[in-house]
This record gives sequence, structure tokens and C-alpha cells, in this order.
Amino acid sequence: QKEVEQNSGPLSVPEGAIASLNCTYSDRGSQSFFWYRQYSGKSPELIMFIYSNGDKEDGRFTAQLNKASQYVSLLIRDSQPSDSATYLCAVTSGGSYIPTFGRGTSLIVHP
Amino acid sequence: GAGVSQSPSNKVTEKGKDVELRCDPISGHTALYWYRQSLGQGLEFLIYFQGNSAPDKSGLPSDRFSAERTGGSVSTLTIQRTQQEDSAVYLCASSLIGQGADTQYFGPGTRLTVL
Repeated sequence: QKEVEQNSGPLSVPEGAIASLNCTYSDRGSQSFFWYRQYSGKSPELIMFIYSNGDKEDGRFTAQLNKASQYVSLLIRDSQPSDSATYLCAVTSGGSYIPTFGRGTSLIVHP
Repeated sequence: GAGVSQSPSNKVTEKGKDVELRCDPISGHTALYWYRQSLGQGLEFLIYFQGNSAPDKSGLPSDRFSAERTGGSVSTLTIQRTQQEDSAVYLCASSLIGQGADTQYFGPGTRLTVL
């Protein structure tokens, strides 16, 4: 069974700090990796996707993928209180149409 | 353009009643997904549509759950004889082709409460 693991948190960081969110997955055939942000009471929204080893940057967000170690992480630089949300990691295997979601990590950015 | 819409936004029903939840995907998106999210839990996959066909129904928790999609667009999730454990937020998502790195766009969800 494919599993995607995330620390539930909460992860608490001060405003302006770097928040580091981690996700591990069990299926070595996984090829596409997604980070979603979900505010309380709202639906998930895509932040980034990555499918090559290494880093991918988009504004204050950087996704890091290490397929050999089977983990993907999300770094949020200059964290803001508005970044406070639950971050969901999702993984799809090659040719699959159904992503497996982790349970999410709750992030709290305090002023 | 318009995003994914769902209706109703909230539904309160009594145990044993049937409910229908509706999803309008983004126009042109061939893939449509239904998920369920209970309080504090992750997303539980229910069913996937490619066009009007449902090649994967493996996530439906029981035969009380069914779904259909018509015209390659609107989808309805039906729960018969609702139970209290069916209480959750039901999320619909659509994507362009439904493969690999295709991005899913989520609707606002329907919050179902079974009394």
C-alpha cells in the first residue's frame, strides 16, 4: 500500500523565519509530487509541484525532492502569519491518476 | 475563468436519509475526483472519473455510495441511508487530463452532517 507520511505538527515558527515541512513516501515508483496549502475550513490549493530531483523555487517557496531517500520537502522563506495553514503533500506514481495524500502538517507563524 | 463549484455548501440530514452532492468541474477538464475529509484527517479518495466513465471506484466505502457523471461535466455523489460516520466534508476536484503531474483544482466542498 502506498503511504505518504507527514509530521502532523503543529510546526511553530516566528515571523520572518524559514519554515521547513517534510514528507516521506513509500512507493519508489512515485514520479510526481505536490504541495497543497489548506486554510482552516477551506479546500486545498496547489502551491507547487516537482518531479525532478533537486530544488524548485517559486517566490518564497522552494520544493526539494530526493528520490533516493524518498522524501520531498517544502521550504517557506520569510514566513508570514498568512502562511499559517495545513500543508498537504501528495504523490502520484508513474501513469497513475490518483494522488496519495499525506495527512498534512499544521504550520503556525507567530508575529 | 470559473473554478470548481459544489452544492450545497452545507447539508444537514437525518440518519437513514439519502443525500445528493453535486460538483461542477472546470470547463474542459476531463478528469474528476471525489474525496472525503473528516475532521483533522487527510483526504480520503472515493472515486475518479475520466469523461463519463469511472475506471476507479475503489475508494467508495460501501455500496451505499454511488456517483455518476453526465456529459463529461457535472457529477453527482449519492449517499443512501446515511449514517453518522458519513459526516465529513466532501471535496470534488477536476484536472485537465487526469494523469501524472496534472494539477487538481478543488472545489469549496460540501459539509455533510448526519444527525
